Amino acid sequence: QKEVEQDPGPLSVPEGAIVSLNCTYSNSAFQYFMWYRQYSRKGPELLMYTYSSGNKEDGRFTAQVDKSSKYISLFIRDSQPSDSATYLCAMSGWGSSNTGKLIFGQGTTLQVKP
Amino acid sequence: DTAVSQTPKYLVTQMGNDKSIKCEQNLGHDTMYWYKQDSKKFLKIMFSYNNKELIINETVPNRFSPKSPDKAHLNLHINSLELGDSAVYFCASSQDRTSGSYEQYFGPGTRLTVT
Repeated sequence: QKEVEQDPGPLSVPEGAIVSLNCTYSNSAFQYFMWYRQYSRKGPELLMYTYSSGNKEDGRFTAQVDKSSKYISLFIRDSQPSDSATYLCAMSGWGSSNTGKLIFGQGTTLQVKP
Repeated sequence: DTAVSQTPKYLVTQMGNDKSIKCEQNLGHDTMYWYKQDSKKFLKIMFSYNNKELIINETVPNRFSPKSPDKAHLNLHINSLELGDSAVYFCASSQDRTSGSYEQYFGPGTRLTVT
C-alpha cells in the first residue's frame, strides 16, 4: 500500500463547476500537506500548503485537512479551462529529522471544458 | 530570470551510455532536490543536498550519482543507462531543509528517453 493514495482520474468537468480533489494517507506523522499543480510538460508549482488539520482558503482554492480521517481535499470553485492540469498532493514532516522529504500522491488529471 | 533551470530539456540516448543532467537555481536557496517522475506521473524523491551536504539518499541504484559543486548547483550523473531510467527528472530547491517540508520550487524537467 502506498503511503499516499490519490485517484488519478481523469476528471472532466464543465466550466464553472466546483471540483473536489482528494488524497488519503497512512502515515499519521505527516504534518505538512501541500497541493501542487502541474501543467503538461512543465514542473509542479505549489498551490497551497496547510499545517496540521483545518481549512485554508486562497481565492477560488480551498484546502482541507482532516488528520483524524487521514484525508485531505482541494476544492476549486468556479473552475476555469486554465485550471486544466494535473494536481498532486504531497505530505511531509515527521519528528526532528525534518529533511524536506515530500511524499507525493499519483496526481489527478483535471480537464475543465469551456 | 528563471528560478530553477535544468539542462538539457530533452535527452535521448542508448542503453549503456553515461549522461549528466544539470540544475541551477538563482533563488539563493540552501537546499536542492532531484525527483523522478514516471510515465504515470508518480513523483518520487531521489536525492537532496543542503548547502552541498547530502541529506536525502533514497533507494536509488548506485548508477545514479548526484554532485553539488556549490549550493546553487546540483547535477545528476547516470552511468550505464537502462530502459527503466526513461522518465522525467525534476530538480527542485527550497530556502532550507525545514521550509522544504512545505515549499519547494521545481524546474521545468528533463525528459530522458533511453532506447
